[in-house]
Amino acid sequence: DAKTTQPTSMDCAEGRAANLPCNHSTISGNEYVYWYRQIHSQGPQYIIHGLKNNETNEMASLIITEDRKSSTLILPHATLRDTAVYYCIVMGSSNTGKLIFGQGTTLQVKP
Amino acid sequence: EAQVTQNPRYLITVTGKKLTVTCSQNMNHEYMSWYRQDPGLGLRQIYYSMNVEVTDKGDVPEGYKVSRKEKRNFPLILESPSPNQTSLYFCASSPNRGLLGYTFGSGTRLTVV
Repeated sequence: DAKTTQPTSMDCAEGRAANLPCNHSTISGNEYVYWYRQIHSQGPQYIIHGLKNNETNEMASLIITEDRKSSTLILPHATLRDTAVYYCIVMGSSNTGKLIFGQGTTLQVKP
Repeated sequence: EAQVTQNPRYLITVTGKKLTVTCSQNMNHEYMSWYRQDPGLGLRQIYYSMNVEVTDKGDVPEGYKVSRKEKRNFPLILESPSPNQTSLYFCASSPNRGLLGYTFGSGTRLTVV
């Protein structure tokens, strides 16, 4: 599975969009990009995933570059409850289903 | 409500005393998995199960056992716990090996003294 690189930490003002980048330059054609978040020590929460098209759901938007080597998770109107560690994970359809968690990005939403 | 339920949430035990952490899901998911989370090491997979009676080792299976006798339950068994198994444990389930995302339990914080 491709390795991902994320900034260690980011700040965002409450009510503003939070844009979390992720590099996955070694991603292969059948690998998806997944985003999870973990609030404090709770169980990780699935946010969104995509293959090559941009995706949007009720939680967030995922923008994947055309070459698929990087992506950005967008939380359109961040709230204090969005403060969490955000993990970008690449996983293939032929995978055993194992999620490989890196260190993630700690997003601090400030009032 | 669709959920993964782990019990107990907190457990302090002594070295060598067998324990079981239960995990149950109500979504009829085929795939279930256990992870442990340690500071500086992140989340690592212990065991996974693709279906009833089908289990396999993850990255850190030493000292753990699992069973999958029914689709909804996937208990984690520590036959002889040691202090290095002090950790935060998460169970997760998915209908299709995580391709549409996992649902995680709330976690079990285990301390072995």
